[in-house]
Amino acid sequence: QVQLVQSGAEVKKSGASVKVSCRASGYSFTSYLIHWVRQAPGQGPEWVGMIHPSGGSTTYAQKFQDRVTMTRDTSTSTVYMEVNSLTSEDTAVYFCARESSLWVANDYWGQGTLVTVSS
Amino acid sequence: DIQMTQSPSSLSASVGDRVTISCRASQSVSTYLSWYQQKPGKAPKLLIYAASTLQSGVPSRFRGSVSGTDFTLTITSLQPEDFATYYCQQSYFTPYTFGQGTNLEIK
Repeated sequence: QVQLVQSGAEVKKSGASVKVSCRASGYSFTSYLIHWVRQAPGQGPEWVGMIHPSGGSTTYAQKFQDRVTMTRDTSTSTVYMEVNSLTSEDTAVYFCARESSLWVANDYWGQGTLVTVSS
Repeated sequence: DIQMTQSPSSLSASVGDRVTISCRASQSVSTYLSWYQQKPGKAPKLLIYAASTLQSGVPSRFRGSVSGTDFTLTITSLQPEDFATYYCQQSYFTPYTFGQGTNLEIK
């Protein structure tokens, strides 16, 4: 069965960086885009960007363009998202999600990774 | 960025009721509109994609429709497990923006 398993919760200081992982299983890793979505406490989801595991091409929301890097390791079927220069506004649950083969929609999601940024 | 405006922000209903949630896009997104259900502490769950196509495994009481830039999620005959927060998302132009959500509560 399709599974996306994310790394555990992180606590970081302002100005630091965090790298969250998302390991995929149960399907052909290089055939499906992976999106990252974050959700601040009590807020709606916010799209961060996406990566195609096959060639590694990425698209980021302009808001995150200068601070986010998405990468992948095809040998372990894992995608990574690194966020730099963290502030308290980056405190959120970060989800990875697979894009469906049928439409631009996310059919499978990771369990989420809570990133807490403290000053 | 495309703005997605959902209404209402909250809604109280009873088991067995029919409810409607609206989502308006600030410009055309064609039918690149999905609906998600989210329960506390969980990831969103895909219900509807392409504005009106039911995701596999989702009960048929969930229906999506579109008229221009206005999208509607209808839940016929609410069940106890349907009480959750619902979000629309456009995937026509990046960034793929979400609505602010509709919290569906038990009356």
